Amino acid sequence: AQKVTQAQTEISVVEKEDVTLDCVYETRDTTYYLFWYKQPPSGELVFLIRRNSFDEQNEISGRYSWNFQKSTSSFNFTITASQVVDSAVYFCALSGEVNNAGNMLTFGGGTRLMVKP
Amino acid sequence: DTGVSQNPRHKITKRGQNVTFRCDPISEHNRLYWYRQTLGQGPEFLTYFQNEAQLEKSRLLSDRFSAERPKGSFSTLEIQRTEQGDSAMYLCASSLAGGVSQKNIQYFGAGTRLSVL
Repeated sequence: AQKVTQAQTEISVVEKEDVTLDCVYETRDTTYYLFWYKQPPSGELVFLIRRNSFDEQNEISGRYSWNFQKSTSSFNFTITASQVVDSAVYFCALSGEVNNAGNMLTFGGGTRLMVKP
Repeated sequence: DTGVSQNPRHKITKRGQNVTFRCDPISEHNRLYWYRQTLGQGPEFLTYFQNEAQLEKSRLLSDRFSAERPKGSFSTLEIQRTEQGDSAMYLCASSLAGGVSQKNIQYFGAGTRLSVL
């Protein structure tokens, strides 16, 4: 069975602070995909990034960066110089091998990020 | 590309009534997924379609729930004899099948929030 754990249920920071959201996963698949989604108050889940299990290179996109460490089964997400607009619930998710029935996403419980001005 | 559209956005119903939700996926996306999200939790997979074929159903999908995707385009999710425990956000997502590039990334709609009184 697959499992995703986001231990931080809520984080509050002041604007311009850096913040890291933790994600730990469990899976028996050798090929799998990891995702981060953002859910603003409007409710729609917004796709941020997908990484496959064979690519452990860290990725940076503007103020966002992701640290994938297979050895610790973690896929952490850092926002640099946070802004009020970053306030949302962030979900880490896992899917199995692409063309299997296990293509569905298994989500963590989410981390609510509040960025105060 | 108009994104995934879900209707209605909100539905209030009395216990025991039947309700139906609609999802219009991104055009040309052959995979369509339904998830359920309760307050403070991450989304949980319910079922998915590839074209018109329903390929996977979660144990969460009791016999009161039925989903269809006629002609492989829009999908409907019906809940019969609603119970208070069915109150949740019902999210729809769509994707292209495949493992490379932008395929297999699920894009979500804004959801239908169901309240059963």
